[in-house]
Amino acid sequence: GENVEQHPSTLSVQEGDSAVIKCTYSDSASNYFPWYKQELGKRPQLIIDIRSNVGEKKDQRIAVTLNKTAKHFSLHITETQPEDSAVYFCAAIASYGKLTFGQGTILTVHP
Amino acid sequence: GAVVSQHPSWVICKSGTSVKIECRSLDFQATTMFWYRQFPKQSLMLMATSNEGSKATYEQGVEKDKFLINHASLTLSTLTVTSAHPEDSSFYICSYDRGPNQPQHFGDGTRLSIL
Repeated sequence: GENVEQHPSTLSVQEGDSAVIKCTYSDSASNYFPWYKQELGKRPQLIIDIRSNVGEKKDQRIAVTLNKTAKHFSLHITETQPEDSAVYFCAAIASYGKLTFGQGTILTVHP
Repeated sequence: GAVVSQHPSWVICKSGTSVKIECRSLDFQATTMFWYRQFPKQSLMLMATSNEGSKATYEQGVEKDKFLINHASLTLSTLTVTSAHPEDSSFYICSYDRGPNQPQHFGDGTRLSIL
């Protein structure tokens, strides 16, 4: 089955700096890669996603890149704000529909 | 607004109790729903795939006789944790998607604490 590795496990940045989280996946059949933000005790919320026929996608301060050949994808957050502090999960989904999550990254943005 | 209704949001009960968690899709007839479990400071792990009108598909290591799943209608899936023990204490969360390569919509989750 699919295996998703996520790094780093914790990330601490100053407000205004950029944050980058990286993930790799193992199943070449995976074709959809969402990123979720989860605040303590709450459900994951989709912040951006990318499909395998696209190499990059941007939504305001958030961008995701995908390298299918290398089987890795990354989340980029620019101009970070304290409210960006949360746990971020990458995930991969193959055509059979099951979502496999990475281990999560605890992002802390210091004012 | 919310498209998935999950309840209860929090359960505290004694060891040996069975607990039922409901997940309703509010705006879509979901033939497939997913159940995840999340232990503190860990990632979400898929437990099982709930299939309307047929048996659920369980992930490796998940006991199907302990975690009973019923998906009797296109809008409701239930997860029953039978004879729960303290090690079953976790955050349980359901989701569904509208089709291949579509975002999954998550319920608010159920925090289960077994004393």
